[in-house]
Amino acid sequence: DTGVSQDPRHKITKRGQNVTFRCDPISEHNRLYWYRQTLGQGPEFLTYFQNEAQLEKSRLLSDRFSAERPKGSFSTLEIQRTEQGDSAMYLCASSPSSDRALNTEAFFGQGTRLTVV
Amino acid sequence: AQSVTQLDSHVSVSEGTPVLLRCNYSSSYSPSLFWYVQHPNKGLQLLLKYTSAATLVKGINGFEAEFKKSETSFHLTKPSAHMSDAAEYFCVVSAYGGATNKLIFGTGTLLAVQP
Repeated sequence: DTGVSQDPRHKITKRGQNVTFRCDPISEHNRLYWYRQTLGQGPEFLTYFQNEAQLEKSRLLSDRFSAERPKGSFSTLEIQRTEQGDSAMYLCASSPSSDRALNTEAFFGQGTRLTVV
Repeated sequence: AQSVTQLDSHVSVSEGTPVLLRCNYSSSYSPSLFWYVQHPNKGLQLLLKYTSAATLVKGINGFEAEFKKSETSFHLTKPSAHMSDAAEYFCVVSAYGGATNKLIFGTGTLLAVQP
C-alpha cells in the first residue's frame, strides 16, 4: 500500500498523559499536513510542513502540541498533558509540490482516533 | 479569507434517484475547490476537483460538480444514487497563503441512501 499511513489507529489515554502519533506520507510528497476532526465537524487544519520545515501552525495548536518532521519524511504529532477536549480524530495528509499549489489535492491517511478518559 | 458553507447537514435519497449536495464558497480570488468523501472507518477520498479549467467537473463513481462563479456555488450531483454512496461528503476550498496550501473544510453533509 503506497498511501498515507498513520499509527496507531486508535489510542485511549488517561487525562494528563502524553501521546505521540506517527504519519508516513506518500513517498516523494514533500508537503505534509496535520488536521483534527471532532464528531460532526469537518477536519480543521493544525500544521503544515514543507520537507522538514514547519511553515505554519494553527491557533488551534496550543503549547501542549508539537509536531516534527526531522528528515522530511515521516512526521510525529505529540500532545503533552492530554485533556478530554483533545479527544478527536487526528488526520495526516500529504501532497506533492506543485507550481500551481492551489490545484494540488491532499491525500489523507485513515487517522488516529484519540480518546482521553 | 476562504470558506465554504454546506447548506445541508443531512440528505436522504432513495436508491436510483438523483443526489444534490449543496456548497457555497467564499474566496477573495479564484478558488480551487474539491469534494471529498468519508466512509465510516475509512480515510478521506477525493471525489473531484475544480482547477479553473472546465466549470463542469467529473469525478469518480459518477459524481460531478459545477462551478458557478455568479452564484459562488459548487454543488455536487449524481444522476442515480447507489447504496454504496452513503457516506459523509465534504466541500473544500484551498487556502493559499504564503507557502501554505491548506484545505478549508465545510462541516459536511451526511448522505443516506434508502433502498
